[in-house]
Amino acid sequence: NAGVTQTPKFRVLKTGQSMTLLCAQDMNHEYMYWYRQDPGMGLRLIHYSVGEGTTAKGEVPDGYNVSRLKKQNFLLGLESAAPSQTSVYFCASRFGLVNTGELFFGEGSRLTVL
Amino acid sequence: DQQVKQNSPSLSVQEGRISILNCDYTNSMFDYFLWYKKYPAEGPTFLISISSIKDKNEDGRFTVFLNKSAKHLSLHIVPSQPGDSAVYFCAASDRNTPLVFGKGTRLSVIA
Repeated sequence: NAGVTQTPKFRVLKTGQSMTLLCAQDMNHEYMYWYRQDPGMGLRLIHYSVGEGTTAKGEVPDGYNVSRLKKQNFLLGLESAAPSQTSVYFCASRFGLVNTGELFFGEGSRLTVL
Repeated sequence: DQQVKQNSPSLSVQEGRISILNCDYTNSMFDYFLWYKKYPAEGPTFLISISSIKDKNEDGRFTVFLNKSAKHLSLHIVPSQPGDSAVYFCAASDRNTPLVFGKGTRLSVIA
């Protein structure tokens, strides 16, 4: 029973490189989210998806792109990484149309951009 | 503009005593509030929630209180245990938009 799985868990990039973070959930959830956590900043929403084939911008979307080609997967891409994107990234998912809350989070992906 | 505020970055409490974590919000459209707990190197996990139609919700040692007029909620942990040491995030939603999180409060329970 994996829940929400993020890969990779750690990555070091050089400025200007690109990469993709993969989030996979096996709970048949409709909604999926990408957050970043920075010291003293809490969890900030980057992008989210309310269903397969849909995406929407969150609070801090600049420099990121996302895709939701399959219901169970939500990909976060960095086309040209910058040091300001050094962070811990969390994927989350939930059921349903009514937003009564509970998100299920992955364990996080720590990204360092040099 | 921060819609969910946790003004105490950290809190230390003796084992067995009460821990009180506070959260303020500015958006009057929020009608569902949650607390998440996060250990180092793990993802946040859901702890407890409360709807705006209630002013209290209890689950074992954890109680959340909501004061809508003051736009304030608090999480009470009684009695506090060393395993409760973690970062606690307050979050809020208006049911139509994604959760908005506060910056978190680091709780240290001292044995």
